[in-house]
Amino acid sequence: EAQVTQNPRYLITVTGKKLTVTCSQNMNHEYMSWYRQDPGLGLRQIYYSMNVEVTDKGDVPEGYKVSRKEKRNFPLILESPSPNQTSLYFCASSFRVGNQPQHFGDGTRLSIL
Amino acid sequence: AQSVTQLDSQVPVFEEAPVELRCNYSSSVSVYLFWYVQYPNQGLQLLLKYLSGSTLVKGINGFEAEFNKSQTSFHLRKPSVHISDTAEYFCAVSTGGSYIPTFGRGTSLIVHP
Repeated sequence: EAQVTQNPRYLITVTGKKLTVTCSQNMNHEYMSWYRQDPGLGLRQIYYSMNVEVTDKGDVPEGYKVSRKEKRNFPLILESPSPNQTSLYFCASSFRVGNQPQHFGDGTRLSIL
Repeated sequence: AQSVTQLDSQVPVFEEAPVELRCNYSSSVSVYLFWYVQYPNQGLQLLLKYLSGSTLVKGINGFEAEFNKSQTSFHLRKPSVHISDTAEYFCAVSTGGSYIPTFGRGTSLIVHP
């Protein structure tokens, strides 16, 4: 089954404790992206990747890191999480940007205390 | 730079009534347009897309949208809504250049019995 898998789905942690949210897709997609969703603000892009070893900042990259060592995986790293990073996070992928719709994971709800 | 405006943050409607969710974009070049739906506690899934050709696009669950180039709009419509259509709806646009998609802030459709 074609899917984008995020883990964990839920996480409560404390300020400053490094965490990684994993994202994996099984569709051989070139483009992958991370978003955060906050009430009233919609989806805001954090980072995106056009292909292996090619990543770039989105609209709200501060406090986040990503890597794309393999085509299928695109982890989101919070080196020193802070309470303002409490949010609902989505990973998405598509075969390429432009005329291809994105496939979304089910989301990861992060609470930083 | 491209941008997307969803004019209504919330649209309440009674079951079996028609509904229109509005989306306007700003871009002077060719565009690809998408509507996504997010049911509670789920990721986004594609409702429909406009790439080229006929300006009236039909999607899943009885939804359709009309691309209006002169008005730079891509409004989503359904002639008769069901309780199960209660969800968050996002408009997205990809345009020339990088084609990185931009999302609107979302419209919450609330269908009352």
